[in-house]
Amino acid sequence: EVQLVESGGDLVKSGGALRLSCAASGFTFSKAWMSWVRQAPGKGLEWVGRIKTKSEGGTTDYAAPVKGRFTISRDESKNTLYLQMNSLKTEDTAVYYCTTVEQWLLRALGYWGQGTLVTVSS
Amino acid sequence: QSVLTQPPSVSGAPGQRVTISCTGNSSNIGAGYDVHWYQQLPGTAPKLLIYGSSNRPSGVPDRFSGSKSGTSASLAITGLQAEDEADYYCQSYDSSLSETWVFGGGTKLTVL
Repeated sequence: EVQLVESGGDLVKSGGALRLSCAASGFTFSKAWMSWVRQAPGKGLEWVGRIKTKSEGGTTDYAAPVKGRFTISRDESKNTLYLQMNSLKTEDTAVYYCTTVEQWLLRALGYWGQGTLVTVSS
Repeated sequence: QSVLTQPPSVSGAPGQRVTISCTGNSSNIGAGYDVHWYQQLPGTAPKLLIYGSSNRPSGVPDRFSGSKSGTSASLAITGLQAEDEADYYCQSYDSSLSETWVFGGGTKLTVL
């Protein structure tokens, strides 16, 4: 069974930094593209970024609002995905979801974690 | 303002059919990129409902169907049930900026 468990959400001040983790199990993590999606309180879904496999260079791409501030990385030895968030702004307040990107499902976001809440205060 | 436009809300009585539209442009849906749909039940994480515009993952009832034409896509739900009350989101790829995935603003389905 695929499991994605996010952690690291917290209350942080504007301008601060935070690192989220996503522990993956139940599938071959090293072969999976992964992504982060966020949802501000009472709002819709917003794609944050995506990382390809290490064998594909671990290439990353980011949504415009977070580019240059957020960094996605992965550790195959720990089956863990990370989201390093720097220079946080109040508008980054959201639940952050880790997802798999399923190549065989035409790159749909196949599995989602339960999410972790990040609150950025002014 | 989302790149993909969805109606904020739709409603229907049990047993009825409802459709949710997702309107894009020539940089996303109109360029032929795949459209995916997600269902988010209250208080839970989103779940993949339709992939590649019209395909259902294993376990999704055939009451849910998707289609795409031109710069728009649609999600149809037939035989509405109370448990279908949820938020629905479309998602696609947009080539107008750097490689970017985009979501619609979401549609709240109310079962009357």
